[in-house]
Amino acid sequence: LAKTTQPISMDSYEGQEVNITCSHNNIATNDYITWYQQFPSQGPRFIIQGYKTKVTNEVASLFIPADRKSSTLSLPRVSLSDTAVYYCLVGDSTNAGKSTFGDGTTLTVKP
Amino acid sequence: DTGVSQNPRHKITKRGQNVTFRCDPISEHNRLYWYRQTLGQGPEFLTYFQNEAQLEKSRLLSDRFSAERPKGSFSTLEIQRTEQGDSAMYLCASHAVAGPYEQYFGPGTRLTVT
Repeated sequence: LAKTTQPISMDSYEGQEVNITCSHNNIATNDYITWYQQFPSQGPRFIIQGYKTKVTNEVASLFIPADRKSSTLSLPRVSLSDTAVYYCLVGDSTNAGKSTFGDGTTLTVKP
Repeated sequence: DTGVSQNPRHKITKRGQNVTFRCDPISEHNRLYWYRQTLGQGPEFLTYFQNEAQLEKSRLLSDRFSAERPKGSFSTLEIQRTEQGDSAMYLCASHAVAGPYEQYFGPGTRLTVT
């Protein structure tokens, strides 16, 4: 299982775009990249998933370079309610549930 | 509500007692996972089921821990002879096997061992 590395924490202000980068140098050919968000005392919540290039949904974008050794979660125009821990996971449908969440990136959005 | 549910949400027990938690996954999801999360850390994988079969257990899952998923529906996680180090949030998640997946997590059960 590929190990991931993320910054421990990030600060931002309301209305700004936030980019959180995750390194996964040992990603395997069949692995997808998935990001989760977690608020205190709640279970993680799926944000976005991708395999290559760019994926966009209603809440975020995910940028994956050609070598797939890293990925960047982009949150447009963050608000105070985006303050949370963000986790990057790598795996496929057979092993991803066993992926290591790591300690994630604590994003603090300030007014 | 068609999400993953967990019961109880909170459990306080004395050291040495047995506790059991329940997870009800999304009905069409055949994969079910249990995780443990302590304060300031990410969730740690404990075990997972595909339908009723328990396919893997983490080395974190000592012999005091047992999990079942009878009939491939709900699952239970039992901890025998609880220790203070078992205090944590226990999370359950489910997803379907086919295709790219996303795990749906329950709200967790907060266990406090006194």
